[in-house]
Amino acid sequence: AQTVTQSQPEMSVQEAETVTLSCTYDTSENNYYLFWYKQPPSRQMILVIRQEAYKQQNATENRFSVNFQKAAKSFSLKISDSQLGDTAMYFCALMKTSYDKVIFGPGTSLSVIP
Amino acid sequence: DTGVSQDPRHKITKRGQNVTFRCDPISEHNRLYWYRQTLGQGPEFLTYFQNEAQLEKSRLLSDRFSAERPKGSFSTLEIQRTEQGDSAMYLCASSLMVSGVNNEQFFGPGTRLTVL
Repeated sequence: AQTVTQSQPEMSVQEAETVTLSCTYDTSENNYYLFWYKQPPSRQMILVIRQEAYKQQNATENRFSVNFQKAAKSFSLKISDSQLGDTAMYFCALMKTSYDKVIFGPGTSLSVIP
Repeated sequence: DTGVSQDPRHKITKRGQNVTFRCDPISEHNRLYWYRQTLGQGPEFLTYFQNEAQLEKSRLLSDRFSAERPKGSFSTLEIQRTEQGDSAMYLCASSLMVSGVNNEQFFGPGTRLTVL
């Protein structure tokens, strides 16, 4: 069975600072996909960043980057230069193959403080 | 295309009533997923379709739940004899699978169900 754990239910960061959200997962698959999704208050879930497990290089999307540690089954998200619009629930998620459902973690509520 | 849409956005019903939700995916997307999200939790997978075929159903999907995607376009999720425990946000997502590669899932705004 696949599981995703996020040990930080809530976090806060000052505007313009950097914050790191933690995620660990468990899967018996060798090839899989990891995601960070953002769900702003009362708004739709959107994909922030995606990592294929076979790629050693950490994914980066503008201010968002990940630290993917395959052996440790760890997948953290770093948000640089935090902005007020980054306030949202962040979900770490796992997809075991390229044609499967997504397994979500419980989420981390991030508040960016002006 | 304006993305994945869901209707209604909110539904309040009394226990024991039947409810039906609709999801319209992005037009060229062949995969459609249903998830359930309770307050403070991540979405949980319910079922998904490839075109009109329902390929997998979660154990969360009791006999009171049924989903269809009759023409491989929009999908409906029906809950019969609703219970208070069915209160949740029901999310729909769609994606395009090409040559065995499933691309990003795009989520709709969800239907929030409250069972009184």
